[in-house]
Amino acid sequence: DGGITQSPKYLFRKEGQNVTLSCEQNLNHDAMYWYRQDPGQGLRLIYYSQIVNDFQKGDIAEGYSVSREKKESFPLTVTSAQKNPTAFYICASSKRDGELGPQHFGDGTRLSIL
Amino acid sequence: GENVEQHPSTLSVQEGDSAVIKCTYSDSASNYFPWYKQELGKRPQLIIDIRSNVGEKKDQRIAVTLNKTAKHFSLHITETQPEDSAVYFCAVRRGANNLFFGTGTRLTVIP
Repeated sequence: DGGITQSPKYLFRKEGQNVTLSCEQNLNHDAMYWYRQDPGQGLRLIYYSQIVNDFQKGDIAEGYSVSREKKESFPLTVTSAQKNPTAFYICASSKRDGELGPQHFGDGTRLSIL
Repeated sequence: GENVEQHPSTLSVQEGDSAVIKCTYSDSASNYFPWYKQELGKRPQLIIDIRSNVGEKKDQRIAVTLNKTAKHFSLHITETQPEDSAVYFCAVRRGANNLFFGTGTRLTVIP
């Protein structure tokens, strides 16, 4: 899955600060996703986008925001409204809805609070 | 949304033995069932997947079985090796691309 690049690998946030996590893919996938992973839990969907300039909330969207201005890029902003942001964040992409296939994942960004 | 339950949460086996992980789901219209392996600090990697029109799929030491009537599917790993030690996640999807994940199984293969 070298086609999905997440940066940075580690990120520290101060209280009250917004931070943005980068996700870029060169797989020509239409759909992109952001998941949050906490210890002992599966991946929970934060936001997803099926097409440029469109995105939908997942199961745990509160305190997060996204944008999809380009097909290749789907940045996630963790806002100060997210009271428990410490987690492992994983970006994924897949072919467009209607084409059954796997999601491909990035290496993740580990976010911690200072 | 979909409700995916995965069992067991931890599993220890002796090297060479088989390991079985099971997931159940709630939406009978779900039609795609992948399994992912995640090593510590790394991305989930797809290891095998199955679609709803197939009952079983094998890839060397790994197999997945699907029982649509009972709404469960299982991952089978035979002749386990220490490098199989990882966390395994099942997932379920219906129609749109959103996946619903199980909570994971930490597999430890004891040499």
